[in-house]
Amino acid sequence: DIQMTQSPSSLSASVGDRVTITCQASQDISNYLNWYQQKPGKAPKLLIYDASNLETGVPSRFSGSGSGTDFTFTISSLQPEDIATYYCQQYDNLPRTFGQGTKVEIK
Amino acid sequence: EVQLVESGGGLVKPGGSLRLSCAASGFTFSNAWMSWVRQAPGKGLEWVGRIKSKTDGGTTDYAAPVKGRFTISRDDSKNTLYLQMNSLKTEDTAVYYCTTGFVVAATDWYFDLWGRGTLVTVSS
Repeated sequence: DIQMTQSPSSLSASVGDRVTITCQASQDISNYLNWYQQKPGKAPKLLIYDASNLETGVPSRFSGSGSGTDFTFTISSLQPEDIATYYCQQYDNLPRTFGQGTKVEIK
Repeated sequence: EVQLVESGGGLVKPGGSLRLSCAASGFTFSNAWMSWVRQAPGKGLEWVGRIKSKTDGGTTDYAAPVKGRFTISRDDSKNTLYLQMNSLKTEDTAVYYCTTGFVVAATDWYFDLWGRGTLVTVSS
């Protein structure tokens, strides 16, 4: 199985800050990586697909980059509504696997 | 309206069985590859398994922890996905989501349509 390792597991930042989350795959997954946002009590929401493509309707402050084994998810200017847990997920191989999540809080 | 609605969750004893349903509407369900993802309380997301469309063979794939105990099936005439869970263990306690790729159908590359989830609690 492909292991997805996210860091940090949690972070606290101020409104307007730039926030960066990393995700490392245990083997080369090309760009077969998605990022999801999950707010408490809600289903996950797809934000970024194919490592760097913004899902329709998602604010442009969200972005993704990377390929191979190392990926980055960025919120350019943190907003109060961005409080959530963020997950990376690979779809290169079965089983589909998720990172352990990064909980983003407001300082 | 495009949506997925899960049902069938509840409290079950270890060793018991439960069948979850996921009713789909607003898109061509028969073309969709459907998946189940679960989330234990306070934990992260875990892929459970998928079923391809009948056009693509209708085959199923499962995560190792549930293989041999869980069965995914579909009834395209009812636009409904199922998850039959047998020999349940306490570690199967989770919210179970059905999900699919809506914009890019007939794949499970992107999970861009999710249900609200249904809670399964396995406890004596």
